[in-house]
Amino acid sequence: LAKTTQPISMDSYEGQEVNITCSHNNIATNDYITWYQQFPSQGPRFIIQGYKTKVTNEVASLFIPADRKSSTLSLPRVSLSDTAVYYCLVVPLGGSARQLTFGSGTQLTVLP
Amino acid sequence: DSGVTQTPKHLITATGQRVTLRCSPRSGDLSVYWYQQSLDQGLQFLIQYYNGEERAKGNILERFSAQQFPDLHSELNLSSLELGDSALYFCASDEVNTEAFFGQGTRLTVV
Repeated sequence: LAKTTQPISMDSYEGQEVNITCSHNNIATNDYITWYQQFPSQGPRFIIQGYKTKVTNEVASLFIPADRKSSTLSLPRVSLSDTAVYYCLVVPLGGSARQLTFGSGTQLTVLP
Repeated sequence: DSGVTQTPKHLITATGQRVTLRCSPRSGDLSVYWYQQSLDQGLQFLIQYYNGEERAKGNILERFSAQQFPDLHSELNLSSLELGDSALYFCASDEVNTEAFFGQGTRLTVV
C-alpha cells in the first residue's frame, strides 16, 4: 500500500486559495489519488479523485504531476465552513479487495 | 445524506459487554468498510466485505468480528468491551472503482 504524507495543519483566511500537497512516492501504476474531507464527529466526504494531470469539479481542483509522486488539492476562495481535516488516499484501481487507508490528514483552519 | 445508514447513533455500555453495530450500504453498493476513530485519532481501517465475503483486513482486534449478509447489510460485533474501545465507528460503502460513501457513525461509549 502506498503511504501518503501530508502537512499536519494549515491556516488560511477567508477568501484565499488553499493548496494542500500530499506526497505518495511509492504510488503504483494502477493507483489513483482521492481526497476526502471530514468535519468533527461526521463521516468523511469525498471531494475529488484523479489519476494524472488536472481534475476539477465544483468544489476543488486536483493537480497531479507527470511522475505522480505527489498531488495538490486546491480549494478556491475558502470560507469558515471549509475548516476540516483533509485526507489524501492512494487507492488501487480494479479488484474487489480494497483497503482504503487514511493517514493523519491535514487540519485546515480557516480564519475570519 | 450519503445513503449509508448506521444504527444505533449512540451506544453506552459497560466493560465486558458485547454490542452489535449495523450498517446498511447505499443501494447497489456491494462493498462495505468498517473504521474506528478514537478521540482525536485518525480513521483506522478495520475490515472490508464485498458481496458477502471478507476481502481486506486491517488492524481489527480478535474481540471484534464482522459479517455481510445476503441483503448486503453488515454488522460489526464488539465483545469483551474495554474502556479503550470507546470511539466512533464508521461504515462506508462503494461500488468497485468509485468513491466511498460514509455513514454518520455510531458513537460507542464504554463505561
